[in-house]
Amino acid sequence: AQRVTQPEKLLSVFKGAPVELKCNYSYSGSPELFWYVQYSRQRLQLLLRHISRESIKGFTADLNKGETSFHLKKPFAQEEDSAMYYCALMNTDKLIFGTGTRLQVFP
Amino acid sequence: DARVTQTPRDKVTEMGQEVTMRCQPILGHNTVFWYRQTMMQGLELLAYFRNRAPLDDSGMPKDRFSAEMPDATLATLKIQPSEPRDSAVYFCASGSGDYYNEQFFGPGTRLTVL
Repeated sequence: AQRVTQPEKLLSVFKGAPVELKCNYSYSGSPELFWYVQYSRQRLQLLLRHISRESIKGFTADLNKGETSFHLKKPFAQEEDSAMYYCALMNTDKLIFGTGTRLQVFP
Repeated sequence: DARVTQTPRDKVTEMGQEVTMRCQPILGHNTVFWYRQTMMQGLELLAYFRNRAPLDDSGMPKDRFSAEMPDATLATLKIQPSEPRDSAVYFCASGSGDYYNEQFFGPGTRLTVL
């Protein structure tokens, strides 16, 4: 069955520290993966997609098919990165979301 | 800029009442999704439409939930009768079905059933 797992509900770091938000997936086929972010009082929005291999706001995510992972990383966290982060897997047209990880960045 | 809109933003109702949530997708988008967000389950897909036709509503409790697209500019999600366990934030999202498959989310409707 297709599934996305985000094992951490909450991740707290200090400003300037590295961040890694974990995401593992289960999918029979070639996965299409995304990270969505929801800042406080804002709507959910796309952060990045693996097919673009892009870096947005300093975040990157590499698809590791051997480990079935798509972890989100940033070398130096900023306070404005505090938000809820969702990893998502595309299954035909549908997005299957993980349960999300709340990132708190302290000053 | 173009955005998905949802009404109402907040709804408090009593158990047994009918609830209707509305969504206006981005003009030109042909795919509309309804999600429910709870602390325990995160974001769950309830139903989605392409070109106004329902493609999948397997995530929706059929006995009380119904989703429709009366026209290309309006999607509705109804709960009748509502129950306290339906309390959640309901998101609508739309997409153009292009290669990048990005979904654009509305601000959500926070539903509280007492």
